[in-house]
Order: sequence, then structure tokens, then C-alpha cells
Amino acid sequence: GAVVSQHPSWVICKSGTSVKIECRSLDFQATTMFWYRQFPKQSLMLMATSNEGSKATYEQGVEKDKFLINHASLTLSTLTVTSAHPEDSSFYICSASWGRTGGFGYQPQHFGDGTRLSIL
Amino acid sequence: GEDVEQSLFLSVREGDSSVINCTYTDSSSTYLYWYKQEPGAGLQLLTYIFSNMDMKQDQRLTVLLNKKDKHLSLRIADTQTGDSAIYFCAEKSGANNLFFGTGTRLTVIP
Repeated sequence: GAVVSQHPSWVICKSGTSVKIECRSLDFQATTMFWYRQFPKQSLMLMATSNEGSKATYEQGVEKDKFLINHASLTLSTLTVTSAHPEDSSFYICSASWGRTGGFGYQPQHFGDGTRLSIL
Repeated sequence: GEDVEQSLFLSVREGDSSVINCTYTDSSSTYLYWYKQEPGAGLQLLTYIFSNMDMKQDQRLTVLLNKKDKHLSLRIADTQTGDSAIYFCAEKSGANNLFFGTGTRLTVIP
């Protein structure tokens, strides 16, 4: 159980293009979804957290107008990289949890398989 | 802020035990997790431990927690080549956010 599907797995596009990445929880309701960025051989950097039906909370240094997050349902969140440039090339990973931000208890995050974004 | 540290590399021979260590600074951590990441993939939750526990065993995996020293370890018994991956420890304190360590790249030598 607790499967998270992320699509697409690999995107190559031209500079200036906007790219949308989808994250779906397949067998549970994801009250909270997280978007991470991972640079080669580095750890995950949290970009933003979204609770279903609320605006996303962005981490310091992450441009909300650049990285648009929509979490309109309990099973789907999308990340849109607007007007992507080569420096946006990275591995983007989403995760989902059935717990709401601020909640206590065992609420593991379940991760998608990531999207490798390459901007030419 | 929270700081989670791991050694970057570990090499073991197939069949030996692997021990991956992690230190953290947040004394209010409630849960600590171990995730595995294979090349080009997302993170797979391996196991977790609640902060009031000292040890948890799950098949080949043993997690030890020293809360006083803020030290967490993951022992993999009878390590196999399929265990080669990057292992991340992560801690959660209160809010739902996780703080990840730097990751340890485990290489299993046949």
C-alpha cells in the first residue's frame, strides 16, 4: 500500500518552456504533499509543502511564481516550473502523507519515483 | 535549525553486516526514519523508530537509537548486492516536515 505515482519520469525541453509534473497518491488520501529538489549526489531539499485545499507553503529561497504548486484534491498535486531555464534542471521528487502539517504521530511520507528535468 | 549528518560512503562485502550511522541535533524529534534510494528513483521507506524506543528490528534491519547522544544507526544483516543504494536518515519533530541527512552511499562488493 501507500503508492505514489509521479509523472513524467523524464522531461527534456527547451529554455522558456513551462513544465508540469504530476504527483498522485494511488491508494490513500494525501492530506499533505511535499515537493523536493535533489541535485546530483546531494540530499533532498524541501521546496514546498501543501495541504489539500490550501495554498502551498514555500521554503525560504524558493520562488513561488517560478514553481507553481496546486493541490486541488486529496490524490493529486502538481508542480509547474514556469519559463524553465537550464539552472532549473534537476531531479524533482514528490511525497505524500495522510497527515496534515502540524500533526503529530507516525505519518510517514511516501515518495514518488522522481522526475528528471533537463532544460536545453 | 535541524541538522542531520551521515557519513558519505560505506563499502562492505556481500554477506557481511552494514552499519550506517546518523547524528541529529533536534532533541524534540518524535520519529526517525530510514529511506533507501536506488539510482534514478525516489525514496523507499525502510523502517522508522519512535523516539522513546531504543531498538527496533525488522527482518534483516535493526535500528538503534541513542537519544542521549542523538545518534541513530541502521544495521543491515547479511548484506546483498541488491542493498547497494543511498540510505537517508530523516527526523521529524512535531510538524509533518522531514529533515534529511546527507545520505550514505552503500556499495556491496560481491
